[in-house]
Amino acid sequence: DSGVTQTPKHLITATGQRVTLRCSPRSGDLSVYWYQQSLDQGLQFLIQYYNGEERAKGNILERFSAQQFPDLHSELNLSSLELGDSALYFCASSDGTDETQYFGPGTRLLVL
Amino acid sequence: TQLLEQSPQFLSIQEGENLTVYCNSSSVFSSLQWYRQEPGEGPVLLVTVVTGGEVKKLKRLTFQFGDARKDSSLHITAAQTGDTGLYLCAGPSGTYKYIFGTGTRLKVLA
Repeated sequence: DSGVTQTPKHLITATGQRVTLRCSPRSGDLSVYWYQQSLDQGLQFLIQYYNGEERAKGNILERFSAQQFPDLHSELNLSSLELGDSALYFCASSDGTDETQYFGPGTRLLVL
Repeated sequence: TQLLEQSPQFLSIQEGENLTVYCNSSSVFSSLQWYRQEPGEGPVLLVTVVTGGEVKKLKRLTFQFGDARKDSSLHITAAQTGDTGLYLCAGPSGTYKYIFGTGTRLKVLA
């Protein structure tokens, strides 16, 4: 158990819909990272937050947004969903002192 | 654009055999990490290598960082069924971003 929690574990929705994925980092970790893992693209970095502020953006679509709240939990919002958005979405956290990231169990999103 | 290419993509071996998987790039990395991911779970960090030529051992796993810091290898001695999983290398790409390799899917047969 990494100490990072993600909800929900599974999500099935339809094209055009909007969903919110939630992540709670390990106690004391200030950094949260979001990744997308699909069969054909591998693990892709989406975005990083540090203590509530956006720190880095990767290959994140404009239809996707994220935020980190004062209690340090983070949410990833996916809107106007397309079939190709079906993937595993992982959250990871770190304390910021080194590069070690602790990954959550992921949310499996299926868009029908 | 930095890329991390891993080889082989798939590997199926018998328990007790040795194996090596590779992570290569045309770019220099300040450090590289190796993760193992099991089905239905998130990646788990195995090791971070930071110095060119560095060798780190973790029980039966030996990790090496190339002298030029453009490549890395993971050698497993006497593989066990518990070593089955997806092995990923990863490295920093720019400021606060990370890229992951294409992955090596290992299956160890009893």
